[in-house]
Amino acid sequence: DAKTTQPTSMDCAEGRAANLPCNHSTISGNEYVYWYRQIHSQGPQYIIHGLKNNETNEMASLIITEDRKSSTLILPHATLRDTAVYYCIVRGPVNYGGSQGNLIFGKGTKLSVKP
Amino acid sequence: DTGVSQDPRHKITKRGQNVTFRCDPISEHNRLYWYRQTLGQGPEFLTYFQNEAQLEKSRLLSDRFSAERPKGSFSTLEIQRTEQGDSAMYLCASSARRGSLEAFFGQGTRLTVV
Repeated sequence: DAKTTQPTSMDCAEGRAANLPCNHSTISGNEYVYWYRQIHSQGPQYIIHGLKNNETNEMASLIITEDRKSSTLILPHATLRDTAVYYCIVRGPVNYGGSQGNLIFGKGTKLSVKP
Repeated sequence: DTGVSQDPRHKITKRGQNVTFRCDPISEHNRLYWYRQTLGQGPEFLTYFQNEAQLEKSRLLSDRFSAERPKGSFSTLEIQRTEQGDSAMYLCASSARRGSLEAFFGQGTRLTVV
């Protein structure tokens, strides 16, 4: 599975967009990019995922570069409740290459949203 | 349905004792995962069930650890002869969508071994 590189920490002003980068230069053709976040003392929460195209849902947008070697998670209007550790994960589909779908978490990016 | 439920939320035990944690996944989800998370680290995969079958186990799952999902619904994780190094948050997750890694996590059980 492709490894990911994320900054250790980032700050964002409340109400502004938070742009969280992720590098995954060794991603292979059928590997997806997943984003999860973990608010202090809670379990991780699924945010969004994508393969090639940009994706948007009620929580965030995911922008994947054309060469798929990096991506950016965008929280359009960050609030204090978005303060969390954000994990970028690259994985193939379940049952591809023997994968049973377990997520491989790195250390993520600690996002601090400040008033 | 209120999501993935884990019990207890906190457990303090003396070294050498056995502990058991329970996870109730979202009712229609056939895939269930256990993870362990230590301070400052991301969650680490322990084991995976599809229905009642345990299909994958991590090298982290030593002989002292055992997990079951007898009827393909709730699951238990037992740690025998606990050690201080077992102190961690134990997370359970479930998913339903075939081929997807969109998993729903519980709040976790925080284990402290003294």
